[in-house]
Amino acid sequence: TQLLEQSPQFLSIQEGENLTVYCNSSSVFSSLQWYRQEPGEGPVLLVTVVTGGEVKKLKRLTFQFGDARKDSSLHITAAQPGDTGLYLCAGANNDMRFGAGTRLTVKP
Amino acid sequence: DVKVTQSSRYLVKRTGEKVFLECVQDMDHENMFWYRQDPGLGLRLIYFSYDVKMKEKGDIPEGYSVSREKKERFSLILESASTNQTSMYLCASSSQRGLGGGYTFGSGTRLTVV
Repeated sequence: TQLLEQSPQFLSIQEGENLTVYCNSSSVFSSLQWYRQEPGEGPVLLVTVVTGGEVKKLKRLTFQFGDARKDSSLHITAAQPGDTGLYLCAGANNDMRFGAGTRLTVKP
Repeated sequence: DVKVTQSSRYLVKRTGEKVFLECVQDMDHENMFWYRQDPGLGLRLIYFSYDVKMKEKGDIPEGYSVSREKKERFSLILESASTNQTSMYLCASSSQRGLGGGYTFGSGTRLTVV
């Protein structure tokens, strides 16, 4: 059983569409991070959210931390093929725990 | 450009062999971690270290050991490799514990045990 549940597991969309992926837990975290991993590479940190209800924007990506600091969402506007990858969320307290990821494919 | 370097991208080893996976970081980070990544299971923590000569077990330490003799180097050792240890192994480092401390990952070592 994963401490952090990510949904959906797989998502395939056309270029230009919008999408939201979710990261849910029954645990409260001090902070939550999102990473993107491309094939053959390690995950790369996208953002850290710390405060319940916090919203951060990174170009076309919008990250939100739930009010209770147990869940988070990542919304991508007008997806592009370059957004293709595995999106991982990770919750931090004294150490870091990762979800299994959402594998996103954006078709041209 | 700061980085975490893993010595091998691909390794093939035989069952029963002793396997060493090396990881070096050039960011003077205190904290280093070893994860394995398997489809549908995400990243699972094997061992971590918050200081030189210090090590702590993660969630799945069985069959593994680690060594941290120098701050920049964290080695993962498979004492007697088995086929169920076939996986992608990721090393990471960070400068802060827990809150806000983003991880920098290496590119991974894909290990196949035959």
